[in-house]
Parts: sequence; C-alpha cells; structure tokens
Amino acid sequence: LAKTTQPISMDSYEGQEVNITCSHNNIATNDYITWYQQFPSQGPRFIIQGYKTKVTNEVASLFIPADRKSSTLSLPRVSLSDTAVYYCLVGDYGGYNKLIFGAGTRLAVHP
Amino acid sequence: EAQVTQNPRYLITVTGKKLTVTCSQNMNHEYMSWYRQDPGLGLRQIYYSMNVEVTDKGDVPEGYKVSRKEKRNFPLILESPSPNQTSLYFCASSQRQGPYEQYFGPGTRLTVT
Repeated sequence: LAKTTQPISMDSYEGQEVNITCSHNNIATNDYITWYQQFPSQGPRFIIQGYKTKVTNEVASLFIPADRKSSTLSLPRVSLSDTAVYYCLVGDYGGYNKLIFGAGTRLAVHP
Repeated sequence: EAQVTQNPRYLITVTGKKLTVTCSQNMNHEYMSWYRQDPGLGLRQIYYSMNVEVTDKGDVPEGYKVSRKEKRNFPLILESPSPNQTSLYFCASSQRQGPYEQYFGPGTRLTVT
C-alpha cells in the first residue's frame, strides 16, 4: 500500500486559492489518487480523483506530475465553508481491499 | 435519494452491555466498511465487506464483529463494549472494492462508561 504524507494543517483567507500537496513516493502503476473532505462530526465526502496530469471538477482541481510521486489539490477562491480536513488516498481498482485514511490536512479559512 | 444510514446516531452505554449499530445503503453497493475516528488518529478501518457473506478485518478489528447477510445492511456488533471503544463510528459503502467513491453515513457517536 502506498503511504501518503500531507501537511498537518494549513491556514488561508477567504478568496484565496489553496493548494494542498500530498506525497506518495511509492505509488504503484495502477494506483489512482483520491481526495476526500471532512467537516467536523460528518463522514468524509469524495472531492476528486485522478491518475495523471490534471483533473478538474466543479469543486477542485487535481494536479499530478509525470512521475506521480505527489499530487496537489487546488481549491479556488476558498470560503469559510471550506474549513475542513482534507485526505489524500492512493489505491488501485484491481483487487484493492481497503483504503487508508491518513491524518489528513486541517485547513482553516479565515475571514 | 442515494444514502447510507446509521442508527443510532448517539449512544451511551455501560461496559459489557452488548450493542449493535446498524448500517444500511440504498445504492446496491457491493462494498461496505466500518471506520472509527478518534482525535489525532484519523479514520481507521475496523471491518470491510466485499459482498454478501464476505467480510474481512481492517486495521482495528479487535472487540468488534460484523455480518453481511443482505447486500444493503452491514451491522457492527460490540459483544462486550469497553471504554476504549468510545469513538465516532462511520459506515461507508462503494460500488465495489477499490478506490471507488465511498459514501459515508452520518456517524454514530458511542460512549462506553
């Protein structure tokens, strides 16, 4: 299982772009990178998933360099409601039985 | 509406009194799992199930049991709860095993005194 490393916490201000980087040096060829968001006392919520290059949806963008040893979740123009914990997970679709949530990155958005 | 439901949402019990936390999903998902979340430790998987009658241990299975007799239900059983099982529990389901999008329930906050 590829281990992931993220910053423990980050601070930002409303309206700024936030980039959270996840390191996964041992990512395997078949692994995908998935990000979840969790608000206090709620279950995590899927944000975005990608394999390589860039993926964008209505919520965020995910940048994955060619070597795939890291990935960056980009949140454009954050608001107070983006204050949450963000988890980076790595896993493959071929018989992967469990996903490991690390400690995540606690993002605090300030007015 | 696609959802995962858990009951009860809050439970206070005493050491040794057997309890069951129910989990149900209406998305016909094959894969279901239970997590516990404790401050500073993140989410840790307790048990998972790849389909009916197929279950396996996660990272912290001690003191818990599960069963998967129907596709939609995946109850978590604490035969003899202890205070160290005081935690926030989440049930999740996904289409099948693998990094498919997991849908999480609202959580069950359990306190064992």
